[in-house]
Amino acid sequence: GAVVSQHPSWVICKSGTSVKIECRSLDFQATTMFWYRQFPKQSLMLMATSNEGSKATYEQGVEKDKFLINHASLTLSTLTVTSAHPEDSSFYICSATRGGRAKNIQYFGAGTRLSVL
Amino acid sequence: AQKITQTQPGMFVQEKEAVTLDCTYDTSDPSYGLFWYKQPSSGEMIFLIYQGSYDQQNATEGRYSLNFQKARKSANLVISASQLGDSAMYFCAMSGNTDKLIFGTGTRLQVFP
Repeated sequence: GAVVSQHPSWVICKSGTSVKIECRSLDFQATTMFWYRQFPKQSLMLMATSNEGSKATYEQGVEKDKFLINHASLTLSTLTVTSAHPEDSSFYICSATRGGRAKNIQYFGAGTRLSVL
Repeated sequence: AQKITQTQPGMFVQEKEAVTLDCTYDTSDPSYGLFWYKQPSSGEMIFLIYQGSYDQQNATEGRYSLNFQKARKSANLVISASQLGDSAMYFCAMSGNTDKLIFGTGTRLQVFP
């Protein structure tokens, strides 16, 4: 299989604090990882594409200084929401592609529900 | 530009019956991939099935099959023998010359006994 682990699954934080979300590919080396945001009853919106050892590529309208992405290894990418505010409250979900024959298939983590008070 | 359209916001099906979820797409890329994902209320996105634009045969994975009609630019998901556990949101998505996925707005499927 292709298992992607995301942690934490749920986080509540105070306004102004930073929150780090981890995304790990457990049984494969991920060539690329992706970070999405999903508002209630809406579809997924791609925030950024992350490749190991290089800077993330952010989608238009996504603040790179607000949403820091670090892809330190082939199995780990992190998203840090800096100086979080209530409008950052959302569902964040990561995915990873494994390369090879299934290189286009994105396998998703279970997501992180962020609530900023 | 790529676009995915899911015109059914919600669908109902009785247990053990088959159901078709519609998906149409638009792209100028000659090579592309089409995907279906299931999102239960827990939020995880579960990969169901993949169809490559050059694949000659329709993809199948267990009870899931993808009805790929290239000329019509449609990639409908067929779920056979529906189960109560199939109740979820279903998203159609596509990729083109990059690995980025473009998602449709989703269809909420409810399976009733």
